[in-house]
Amino acid sequence: AQSVTQPDIHITVSEGASLELRCNYSYGATPYLFWYVQSPGQGLQLLLKYFSGDTLVQGIKGFEAEFKRSQSSFNLRKPSVHWSDAAEYFCAVGVRGSQGNLIFGKGTKLSVKP
Amino acid sequence: SQTIHQWPATLVQPVGSPLSLECTVEGTSNPNLYWYRQAAGRGLQLLFYSVGIGQISSEVPQNLSASRPQDRQFILSSKKLLLSDSGFYLCAWTSGIGNTIYFGEGSWLTVV
Repeated sequence: AQSVTQPDIHITVSEGASLELRCNYSYGATPYLFWYVQSPGQGLQLLLKYFSGDTLVQGIKGFEAEFKRSQSSFNLRKPSVHWSDAAEYFCAVGVRGSQGNLIFGKGTKLSVKP
Repeated sequence: SQTIHQWPATLVQPVGSPLSLECTVEGTSNPNLYWYRQAAGRGLQLLFYSVGIGQISSEVPQNLSASRPQDRQFILSSKKLLLSDSGFYLCAWTSGIGNTIYFGEGSWLTVV
């Protein structure tokens, strides 16, 4: 069965430092891959997505992610974190051939130190 | 442009009372519609999805039900709420397979 693992429940970084959030998936073929961000009490906002093509994808708010098939990973990165990036981040996998359903990881909460 | 709205934003209901959360999508036709639940400290769990009017698929057995009376309307219901139904409920839509899923603002349900 398909699954998504975000190994880090909570990460704290200093403002201006670089960030990498990890995501690993289990799926037999190339999935659709997404990163969403959720601020407290709000819905999920799409940061970026990978469907095919270039494995390095750029998203909003200065985020990028790289699909590595050999590692079954889709890690999210940002070179310099801002205090407003503090939120919860979810990686998700879309299964090709399904009705667009997504499988979500449990999320990584990001705290930013001043 | 497409928009998605769900309401109410916040709800406090006693155990055993009914529930109705409503979601509507504008600016598109024949979307796939979804209800997710996010319990405290956990990820998102897909509850129901619908690919058309009157077509509902349930992902997990539970105390909830869903209906799609119109193309762009998706309703989450319960006849008798349980304490375990508390959580953050998110409606979402996509235009089809392989496309991005967009989420509504969410509805906080507290069952007391």
